Amino acid sequence: DTEVTQTPKHLVMGMTNKKSLKCEQHMGHRAMYWYKQKAKKPPELMFVYSYEKLSINESVPSRFSPECPNSSLLNLHLHALQPEDSALYLCASSRQRTGENIQYFGAGTRLSVL
Amino acid sequence: AQSVTQLDSHVSVSEGTPVLLRCNYSSSYSPSLFWYVQHPNKGLQLLLKYTSAATLVKGINGFEAEFKKSETSFHLTKPSAHMSDAAEYFCVVSDQPYKYIFGTGTRLKVLA
Repeated sequence: DTEVTQTPKHLVMGMTNKKSLKCEQHMGHRAMYWYKQKAKKPPELMFVYSYEKLSINESVPSRFSPECPNSSLLNLHLHALQPEDSALYLCASSRQRTGENIQYFGAGTRLSVL
Repeated sequence: AQSVTQLDSHVSVSEGTPVLLRCNYSSSYSPSLFWYVQHPNKGLQLLLKYTSAATLVKGINGFEAEFKKSETSFHLTKPSAHMSDAAEYFCVVSDQPYKYIFGTGTRLKVLA
């Protein structure tokens, strides 16, 4: 099983709302990633967790708050977002932190901020 | 520093004809290289990867890529395009932990 599951598939929120994105994998991977992808652009790395600890934060605004409650689950908490945050948010996981390991991607959450 | 350049932003081919998507990379170390495909409003699916084993890598759906160190290239090919191959393709290089550098993507259009 090489599946990364993301929920919800679609999310519409106002600028004052608080919502969360969820990502789950059961492949025993110890590295998990959040990416943001705008239309017709490649994914941009936001956060990396390794062994449930935040390893990389690519200078992401504090209105995005990641959380890794356990080795299988990754959340992204959203608060006071801006319309320009509308994008496809992709979660990925890989076996270890070394680069040769394959990243497996979820189908993404399409986020619209009104 | 690592970087990757996809030489064509758009490629159009007729169904049944060969596909060539070009990728050049730059890396200070022995890199791992990947090709991913993304269909509209979908996540990324791995087509194939190179990690210093055989230089000709076979992937899913009839795709393959050849690693050429002297040319710093990792071009993706398929002998015969199918309508279902129409999608966005990303070349990815990695030579550091957690760092996967994406190319800007190539949109493949397959004409009937």
